[in-house]
Amino acid sequence: GAVVSQHPSRVICKSGTSVKIECRSLDFQATTMFWYRQFPKQSLMLMATSNEGSKATYEQGVEKDKFLINHASLTLSTLTVTSAHPEDSSFYICSAARLDTDTQYFGPGTRLTVL
Amino acid sequence: GEDVEQSLFLSVREGDSSVINCTYTDSSSTYLYWYKQEPGAGLQLLTYIFSNMDMKQDQRLTVLLNKKDKHLSLRIADTQTGDSAIYFCAAASPVGSSNTGKLIFGQGTTLQVKP
Repeated sequence: GAVVSQHPSRVICKSGTSVKIECRSLDFQATTMFWYRQFPKQSLMLMATSNEGSKATYEQGVEKDKFLINHASLTLSTLTVTSAHPEDSSFYICSAARLDTDTQYFGPGTRLTVL
Repeated sequence: GEDVEQSLFLSVREGDSSVINCTYTDSSSTYLYWYKQEPGAGLQLLTYIFSNMDMKQDQRLTVLLNKKDKHLSLRIADTQTGDSAIYFCAAASPVGSSNTGKLIFGQGTTLQVKP
């Protein structure tokens, strides 16, 4: 149990386009999901906390208009990188908080490359 | 805010024990986690310890927590080449009714296991 999937696993896009990344908890419900960003050889940085049915909470320095988060159901959160630029290229990882164990489980990550 | 520090690199021989250390600053952290990341992959939860525990053992993994010194360690017994990866410790601070809340990650320790 406690499987989290992300789609797509890898995406290459042109500068100026928007990219949507999905995060799904497959076998449990998650009222809270988290989005992280990881640069090469660096740690994970929390971008935002996504709560089902309400607005996401963004960390300081993260542009909410650039990184749109929608937590549409108890098993799905999406991150849309709008008007992507090469500096947005990164590894994006989501996690879902499982309420019964109060533990976060991570997705496999999405590698975004903006040309 | 919370700050989590780890040593960056550890090299051991196959069959030896590995000890990865981590320090954190926020004494209100409720859960402390160890995650494993293999190249190009997401994070795999290895184990976690609640802040009122001193030790937790799970097969080859032993977690020790010194709450007074805010020091956490992960010991891997009989280290195998398949254990080569980056290991992240993370501290969770409560958010609302959830003890999981926000995870703050260390920089990650690269474990190299030599045959």
